Amino acid sequence: ETGVTQSPTHLIKTRGQQVTLRCSSQSGHNTVSWYQQALGQGPQFIFQYYREEENGRGNFPPRFSGLQFPNYSSELNVNALELDDSALYLCATHRDSYNEQFFGPGTRLTVL
Amino acid sequence: GESVGLHLPTLSVQEGDNSIINCAYSNSASDYFIWYKQESGKGPQFIIDIRSNMDKRQGQRVTVLLNKTVKHLSLQIAATQPGDSAVYFCAETPAGTLTFGKGTMLLVSP
Repeated sequence: ETGVTQSPTHLIKTRGQQVTLRCSSQSGHNTVSWYQQALGQGPQFIFQYYREEENGRGNFPPRFSGLQFPNYSSELNVNALELDDSALYLCATHRDSYNEQFFGPGTRLTVL
Repeated sequence: GESVGLHLPTLSVQEGDNSIINCAYSNSASDYFIWYKQESGKGPQFIIDIRSNMDKRQGQRVTVLLNKTVKHLSLQIAATQPGDSAVYFCAETPAGTLTFGKGTMLLVSP
């Protein structure tokens, strides 16, 4: 176990709805990255937060947004859900620029 | 748990064999390369990493080889065990983020 937890485990939404996914950081880790993993694919980088500021973003539209809190926990928000947003959403935490990122178990989002 | 391995290249080996998983990467500017293991229903788990100024690094039962000339990375697992069955991803780290490859499913038969 990595010490990184995510909630909820599974979620079912319909097109057009909004969703919030949560991630708790491993102790001492001030950086969190979010990834989207479609079935049969590798994780794709969405964005990264460092000390509550966005610190890099992948090729995802603005309806994907995030927050990092003073305790370094984090949220991923997705507005106007589309069918293609169905995927496993992973968060990974680490300290500063250290490259060993610790992944949570993920949230499986299904959009109907 | 749900499968992460649909439509992935698959390597099938017998318990006790050595396994070699290969990966091609794309960014010459990446400074770290990392191998992750992902079991069904879990997030990726760090296995081993290698800096771009190295060509080989060994861990416990695992060895990573880096060939920058042809942008190729390999993971060697010695004496493969049924618990090694999982999807293996290589990742490169341009600018402090991770870019993952497509993954290879390793199936180990007893």
